Amino acid sequence: AIQMTQSPSSLSASVGDRVTITCRASQGIRNDLGWYQQKPGKAPKLLIYAASSLQSGVPSRFSGSGSGTDFTLTISSLQPEDFATYYCLQDYNYPLTFGQGTKLEIK
Amino acid sequence: QVQLQESGPGLVKPSQTLSLTCTVSGGSISSGGYYWSWIRQHPGKGLEWIGYIYYSGSTYYNPSLKSRVTISVDTSKNQFSLKLSSVTAADTAVYYCARVVVGAIDYWGQGTLVTVSS
Repeated sequence: AIQMTQSPSSLSASVGDRVTITCRASQGIRNDLGWYQQKPGKAPKLLIYAASSLQSGVPSRFSGSGSGTDFTLTISSLQPEDFATYYCLQDYNYPLTFGQGTKLEIK
Repeated sequence: QVQLQESGPGLVKPSQTLSLTCTVSGGSISSGGYYWSWIRQHPGKGLEWIGYIYYSGSTYYNPSLKSRVTISVDTSKNQFSLKLSSVTAADTAVYYCARVVVGAIDYWGQGTLVTVSS
């Protein structure tokens, strides 16, 4: 199975900050990567698919980039509702595998 | 708007079989192009993909669970189901059903906590 390594595992930031989360795949996965946001007690929500495509209804402050093995999720200006845990997911092949998550906390 | 809803026992005894059903509304499970999946999340931990079923009945299971997992579909009821046998405390988790399309998991159920305990 492809291993997905996210960093950092946790991050403290302030409203208005620019934040970047990275995800590295153990082998090349083209651009077959998505980013998900999960709030406590809720199911994950799709933010970005195909590495850089914004899901309908997701604010434009979220963006994704990368291909091959290295990917990033950027939030350009943090809003209070963005404090959550973020996961990457590779869908290059099965079994689908997630990164371990990045918990974004208020500084 | 597609909606998914998990149902099933919240408590299962060790060595028994965990059984969950996902009911899909707002769309047909028989529509091609979707892989109806189960995903779980151990308390306070990350996400683990369990497996999928296509409307035709073809399946793929995570090798880490393959020997214990069965996923089935009932297109007449617009439902798909998960069975996980020989459960232990390590199978205690929130179980999600979800729809996978090429490139993303676009719809999720709300999740259901299953606790394995005697």
